[in-house]
Amino acid sequence: DTEVTQTPKHLVMGMTNKKSLKCEQHMGHRAMYWYKQKAKKPPELMFVYSYEKLSINESVPSRFSPECPNSSLLNLHLHALQPEDSALYLCASSQVAAGTSYGEQFFGPGTRLTVL
Amino acid sequence: DQQVKQNSPSLSVQEGRISILNCDYTNSMFDYFLWYKKYPAEGPTFLISISSIKDKNEDGRFTVFLNKSAKHLSLHIVPSQPGDSAVYFCAARVNAGNNRKLIWGLGTSLAVNP
Repeated sequence: DTEVTQTPKHLVMGMTNKKSLKCEQHMGHRAMYWYKQKAKKPPELMFVYSYEKLSINESVPSRFSPECPNSSLLNLHLHALQPEDSALYLCASSQVAAGTSYGEQFFGPGTRLTVL
Repeated sequence: DQQVKQNSPSLSVQEGRISILNCDYTNSMFDYFLWYKKYPAEGPTFLISISSIKDKNEDGRFTVFLNKSAKHLSLHIVPSQPGDSAVYFCAARVNAGNNRKLIWGLGTSLAVNP
């Protein structure tokens, strides 16, 4: 299985809602990532988990709260978002080991989030 | 400050001809370079990578060249096909212990015309 899956595909939420994005991979990767992508821009790194521990937080506002319950799952909890948070949210995973790892990250299809 | 630069926002090529996508970087600490392809409303798909100690890597129709002294890499697609039409992102890896962080270029939109 060389796939990263994300649910839901689309999400519309109001500014007072609480919702969660989910990501799953079964490639045995121990690094998982959340990215945000706006139209015509490259993916913007938000969080990195390495061995289920948060290793990078790119100064993301606290209304975004990541969680890594186990090595296959990654969640992003959303609360009190703003309309400017509307974007494509991408999950990715990669091997962690040094040495021969090429570092390529495998991306999921993304969740298209619209905040009203 | 853009550490990875793709100076051509778009490129148009005739089917069957060669597509050359360019990428420049400023950080000598990058140890791997990767190319990703992205279709609209989908996640990026890994295409090909090259280690900073190599100068060429080839995979089928795709070849990446690295000129370390010029801090420049290029992706060659030959022959180009209409299905190659997508946005291509150049990314460079910064290696810090167990952390892998990719620094991305802004992308080049490739259109292959039949």
